[in-house]
Amino acid sequence: QSVLTQPPSVSGAPGQRVTISCTGGSSNIGAGYDVHWYQQLPGTAPKLVIYEFSNRPSGVPDRFSGSKSGTSASLAITGLQAEDEADYYCQSYDSSLSGYVFGTGTKVTVL
Amino acid sequence: QVQLVQSGAEVKQSGASVKVSCKASGYTFTGYYMHWVRQAPGQGLEWMGWINTNSGDTNYAQDFQGRVTMTRDTSINTAYMELSRLRSDDTAVYYCARYLPVVDYFDHWGQGALVTVSS
Repeated sequence: QSVLTQPPSVSGAPGQRVTISCTGGSSNIGAGYDVHWYQQLPGTAPKLVIYEFSNRPSGVPDRFSGSKSGTSASLAITGLQAEDEADYYCQSYDSSLSGYVFGTGTKVTVL
Repeated sequence: QVQLVQSGAEVKQSGASVKVSCKASGYTFTGYYMHWVRQAPGQGLEWMGWINTNSGDTNYAQDFQGRVTMTRDTSINTAYMELSRLRSDDTAVYYCARYLPVVDYFDHWGQGALVTVSS
């Protein structure tokens, strides 16, 4: 069982905006550890899309954005495109576990 | 460009061991840690541990301590993950992922290696 909780699925029509939440606790996000987001297209390895809550690596479209609020983080995709259909995972560090943790994962479906 | 190329798929019997390799290129191998993450079929990502490719120091997730060994060979820029006493629930895709200590995210990943454990 992951210590970072995400909704199992979100969906939206092309062009719409969707958000994915990542809820943690006092030993991870609440303790000040950063949150990063990965996109996993079917049958491929994860790819970093947001680091340190809100920064985009080079090459990631500005449709992707991130934010933090208390012990949670969020990933938003605006102007949703068919190519955004994938699984998304948040990731942080947990001091109680003394290790890295991933969220439960969210499947984004483009209607 | 940075590349992490992993070894191929393996089928192992329950109770056996498996060793997965991850060959790095396009950067200074010893300048980054290597982490290992696995993903069971249809499931999420699970962190297994890391190796400091410079010193050889390791840190393993609690769930894998006693069964996992991470090593590296700096002469060929390759990291290894060995998992012993395999069980059917170890069937998964195993990924290596590059990590820079000053940040705590994984910026490049290998393509994954499927390990199937049969009883």
